[in-house]
Amino acid sequence: GENVEQHPSTLSVQEGDSAVIKCTYSDSASNYFPWYKQELGKGPQLIIDIRSNVGEKKDQRIAVTLNKTAKHFSLHITETQPEDSAVYFCAASKGLQGGKLIFGQGTELSVKP
Amino acid sequence: NAGVTQTPKFRVLKTGQSMTLLCAQDMNHEYMYWYRQDPGMGLRLIHYSVGEGTTAKGEVPDGYNVSRLKKQNFLLGLESAAPSQTSVYFCASSFPLVAGKNIQYFGAGTRLSVL
Repeated sequence: GENVEQHPSTLSVQEGDSAVIKCTYSDSASNYFPWYKQELGKGPQLIIDIRSNVGEKKDQRIAVTLNKTAKHFSLHITETQPEDSAVYFCAASKGLQGGKLIFGQGTELSVKP
Repeated sequence: NAGVTQTPKFRVLKTGQSMTLLCAQDMNHEYMYWYRQDPGMGLRLIHYSVGEGTTAKGEVPDGYNVSRLKKQNFLLGLESAAPSQTSVYFCASSFPLVAGKNIQYFGAGTRLSVL
């Protein structure tokens, strides 16, 4: 079955710096790649997603890139702010009935003021 | 608009006890999911449902049962709790795939400890 590996597990940056989180997936049939943000004590919330027919997508300070050949995708956060501190999860889906997502292990991002 | 509501928020069980976690959503979503979150392991799918009266196994279904008698509710049962089931449990819901996308909405989680 699908396997998603996420790195790094923890990431500490200074406010204003950029942060990059990387994921690789194993199943070439996967075609949908969302990113979720989990704040302390809350459930994950979708922040951006990308489909396999697109190489890059941006939404203000966040962007996601996808390399289908290498089977990896990345989350980029620019001009980080303390409120970006959270756990981030990548996921992959093959778009089958049920829309099952396979999640990566998570990255704990800490943005220091 | 409450979204996805999980009850209880916290629970401590003794080994062998049983309990049911309740998930309710008010968004008229067809799909519902139960995940467990453990340190360093991300979110792992336990069971899911694609509609009222249907359930299916996910990645880690052993030791759990589920029921979806009403569209808005999805129950997760532990018949005989084990310490390995100590975890944070999340429920999520979504519409069926739209343009190949499945945006899942999560509850706030239930923290379960099994002693």
